[in-house]
This record gives sequence, C-alpha cells and structure tokens, in this order.
Amino acid sequence: EAGVVQSPRYKIIEKKQPVAFWCNPISGHNTLYWYLQNLGQGPELLIRYENEEAVDDSQLPKDRFSAERLKGVDSTLKIQPAELGDSAVYLCASSFESGTQYFGPGTRLTVL
Amino acid sequence: AQSVTQLDSQVPVFEEAPVELRCNYSSSVSVYLFWYVQYPNQGLQLLLKYLSGSTLVKGINGFEAEFNKSQTSFHLRKPSVHISDTAEYFCAVSLLQGAQKLVFGQGTRLTINP
Repeated sequence: EAGVVQSPRYKIIEKKQPVAFWCNPISGHNTLYWYLQNLGQGPELLIRYENEEAVDDSQLPKDRFSAERLKGVDSTLKIQPAELGDSAVYLCASSFESGTQYFGPGTRLTVL
Repeated sequence: AQSVTQLDSQVPVFEEAPVELRCNYSSSVSVYLFWYVQYPNQGLQLLLKYLSGSTLVKGINGFEAEFNKSQTSFHLRKPSVHISDTAEYFCAVSLLQGAQKLVFGQGTRLTINP
C-alpha cells in the first residue's frame, strides 16, 4: 500500500515569491492534515480537512497561506508571498475518519 | 488545552544499552497518547499508541511505553538499542473525542554510539 506522497521534497525560493506544496493521501483516507515543523520543534497543525471541508484552520495564517482539497483527495498548500520565517518542513498526514495519522516525507522549504 | 513536555532534548546512549525517553502531558480531559519516530529527512512514523486498556503498550522495533495516569506520563523504553535507532522521537496527544489534532512535544534526539 502506497503511503502519503508529497512533492516537491525540497524547495528553495527567494522571499516574496509564491510557493505551493502538493499532497496525495493514502487511498481511502478521508481526513487530511497539513503540519508545520520548524527546526528542532515538533509539528504543529495548520489545517485539517474532512473530505473537501476544512474543519480546523484556526492555526493557518490566512493573510499569506491558503489550502484547498478539491474532490476530497489531493491537497495543495500555498504561501504567497513567502517570508524568511516560513523556512521549515511542511508535513502532510492522512487518516481514515479520526484514526491513526500517517505522515508523508514532508517538503523542506528554504526561503532566501 | 493540551500540552506535551519531553524532558530531554538529547539522549546519547551506547549500543545495546537500555534507553528511556520521557514524556509528560497536561490535559483536563482524557487523551490518546502516541510516540512517533522521525529518521533524518523523512516523515514521522508511528511507533506505538495508547487508546485504552493495558497501560503497557508494545510497538514496533522493540519499543514499549507505559501510561501512568497519576503521573500524567507516557515514557518510551527499549531494553537494548541499535545504531539504527538513531532518530528524533516525538510524543503526542490527541483528544478522545472531537478534533483529532495531534499536539506534539518538542522531540528527543536519540543518538546511539558504538
């Protein structure tokens, strides 16, 4: 069974540029999560989807971050414009209903 | 709100020695408890979880953890570590009901020396 797929694995951009991350969850998992992991820290939830609906986006900085999950499968997380402080690892996870969360390998973003 | 404290940011041990990684949590309601491992440049992998029942939980790779409700702890143990156990370990909690947001500790870097 394929795990959670994320791309790209690494991204380097200059500040003020836009960037997007893509996530494909495990087949059949209706719940999808985006986490932010700063260096030396544990992951922090940015947004949680149940099917197409964002049910918890309270930690998403909505001035520059946006996310979508069209058709309730793949998801995209976007930052526009990126700032130096956005350098981090962005993790995607999925679960069936509210079960165990399975994580992807993450996208490491470096903003110069 | 829930919070998780991992008491050691780094734990160096020799190969084949036992290890304990400590985790304490704070919550006004009952929670689920998890340990995840993160190898370099990889995502998080579930080691074990406590949902209910026996307080001693066995996971993958020979790890086990014990839930202690009175001390609000969920320490991770392995009787004999291997070089391949070198990784970052994260303790996490989530609510029994409602939002299934995982709240993570800051992580413990386990370094195995030959």
